[in-house]
Order: sequence, then C-alpha cells, then structure tokens
Amino acid sequence: GAGVSQSPRYKVAKRGQDVALRCDPISGHVSLFWYQQALGQGPEFLTYFQNEAQLDKSGLPSDRFFAERPEGSVSTLKIQRTQQEDSAVYLCASSLERGLTSSNEQFFGPGTRLTVL
Amino acid sequence: GQQLNQSPQSMFIQEGEDVSMNCTSSSIFNTWLWYKQDPGEGPVLLIALYKAGELTSNGRLTAQFGITRKDSFLNISASIPSDVGIYFCAGLRPFQGAQKLVFGQGTRLTINP
Repeated sequence: GAGVSQSPRYKVAKRGQDVALRCDPISGHVSLFWYQQALGQGPEFLTYFQNEAQLDKSGLPSDRFFAERPEGSVSTLKIQRTQQEDSAVYLCASSLERGLTSSNEQFFGPGTRLTVL
Repeated sequence: GQQLNQSPQSMFIQEGEDVSMNCTSSSIFNTWLWYKQDPGEGPVLLIALYKAGELTSNGRLTAQFGITRKDSFLNISASIPSDVGIYFCAGLRPFQGAQKLVFGQGTRLTINP
C-alpha cells in the first residue's frame, strides 16, 4: 500500500517485558515522527527523525523508551521493562520534506495499541 | 504533556445539523491543523491554516485561524453519518524546528440519524 504501515497492530505485554514497534513510512519520506496517544486523549509527540538522524527526542517519557531509524526508512520504537502506564496507542507519521514548510503534511499510520498487564 | 484546550469534548447532534468546535491556547501558534480520527486508524488531515485571520473551506468544512494566533475553530455544515468520529486540533509553534505537532484533547462527534 501507499500509506504508512505499522506492526503489530495490537500488542499485549506483561509488565517488565520489552517490546518493539515497527513503522514503515511512505517511500521517499524524509521525516518520521512517533506519537503516544493515551485513551481519550490527543496524540503527544515522542521523537522525530530526519533520514537516519534523530533530531528531537524530547518527548520520550523515560530512558526506557528508545527509537531508531538506522537506514533512514523503517523505524523501530523500543520500550524496555514495560509498565502499565505505557499502555497507549503508538502512532507513527511521515512527511515528505524536512524543515518547516507550509505544505509539509504528516501522514499517520493506523497505530499500534499496546496493552501492558 | 501540554495540549491545546479543545471544546466541546463531545457532541450529540441530529443528521443535517451544523457543528462547531474550537481550540484555544495560552501560547501563539503559527500553524493550525484540524484532523479527524476514525476508530482503529490514525488521524487524517482535514484543513491546514497558515496565516492569522485565514479562513479556509474544504467542502462542508470551514476553519479559521484566530487573529491572535491563539485559537482556531472548525465548522461542519449539514452533518452526515460519515462525519462521526473524533476531531483534533493541532498546532505548530514558531521556531519549533521540525513539525512537532501539539494536539488538543479531541471532540467526539456522534450523529443521530
């Protein structure tokens, strides 16, 4: 498909377990973003990549959260030693260009719903 | 994390009615965006606003970027069943660098046929 894809769509983890969430952006998109969406809330920014460089990780809630995009395309968000408060939908978005341009729309994937028991 | 103040939180309307929702902030934004999110999907962009005072339409949707750059509203005219969903405002601050969106809490729209 031509859109942003994420896998798995659903993940159930036991507290303390490590998880890895994958994002396949739209081909050719330079920028990639991760957002966390708690139940009943709007998405909150986690981190941003421009190609393979992680330029902003100010939204990562703790050092248990780690994201990478080693080849500038697919990205993985890893959460170590998951806690119940990590339960949320994790959204990935990509955009064509870098920088602040008026036409730089972010296209969102369907998200991964993480439930930590 | 900081979010925009979006209201109302939910709306229950009859099909055919007009809808209005708004977003406010104590901080200035230089871009306002309105998204719609369906269950199990990511947000989809509806309208983007780039200048203070700008009024933009997209079919039955109309949105405005407040003159103070601290607020925006979205109107939907003659609502239809497929308008059901959650609507989010989002903003970008000046000198933010990358497009680090700040979202509102959402307005859940329910339509009675």
